[in-house]
Amino acid sequence: DAGVTQSPTHLIKTRGQQVTLRCSPKSGHDTVSWYQQALGQGPQFIFQYYEEEERQRGNFPDRFSGHQFPNYSSELNVNALLLGDSALYLCASSSERGTGARNTEAFFGQGTRLTVV
Amino acid sequence: RKEVEQDPGPFNVPEGATVAFNCTYSNSASQSFFWYRQDCRKEPKLLMSVYSSGNEDGRFTAQLNRASQYISLLIRDSKLSDSATYLCVDSGAGSYQLTFGKGTKLSVIP
Repeated sequence: DAGVTQSPTHLIKTRGQQVTLRCSPKSGHDTVSWYQQALGQGPQFIFQYYEEEERQRGNFPDRFSGHQFPNYSSELNVNALLLGDSALYLCASSSERGTGARNTEAFFGQGTRLTVV
Repeated sequence: RKEVEQDPGPFNVPEGATVAFNCTYSNSASQSFFWYRQDCRKEPKLLMSVYSSGNEDGRFTAQLNRASQYISLLIRDSKLSDSATYLCVDSGAGSYQLTFGKGTKLSVIP
């Protein structure tokens, strides 16, 4: 059973460019959240997707956008990259099916390390 | 703004020692919490859930003190493999967001 998979694992972009990161959730999971983790910091919540809709967003600018597909996989897009966007981007999947719980156990992918130069 | 505060450490302890970390949270309405473990340049992995008074799993014990709004993690008989950063997480109330602390770094020394 594959866990959460993210691609690419590493990426180098130039300031001002755009980037797309991809995530496939753990089998059986329907909810995908994205987090940004800067060096020496804890992960910061970007947004969460459920039923192909963004249902909660953290304190990130509109340059950060996303999408969820019918197969529950997700993309994170960042436009007009800044040096400060350099970080580890983590995707987490979870499932509410049959539980109604808001925050059941979240499983993280290995992350995409983005460097903006 | 809802926050989670942790002592960043590092905590350097010898093998076999007992070590405890504390974490404070600001959202008094929060009902459940997690401890995640994160190895260097890896993803966070769930260590324990803390829903009510506490939870125990082998050498690990987590406690929740709602009155003082803190969570603790106790590791007994430390192993070299316990060396990692431990992240305290507030699952929030009425929110889908997990709020992470900055983490506490533990190094277990031979």
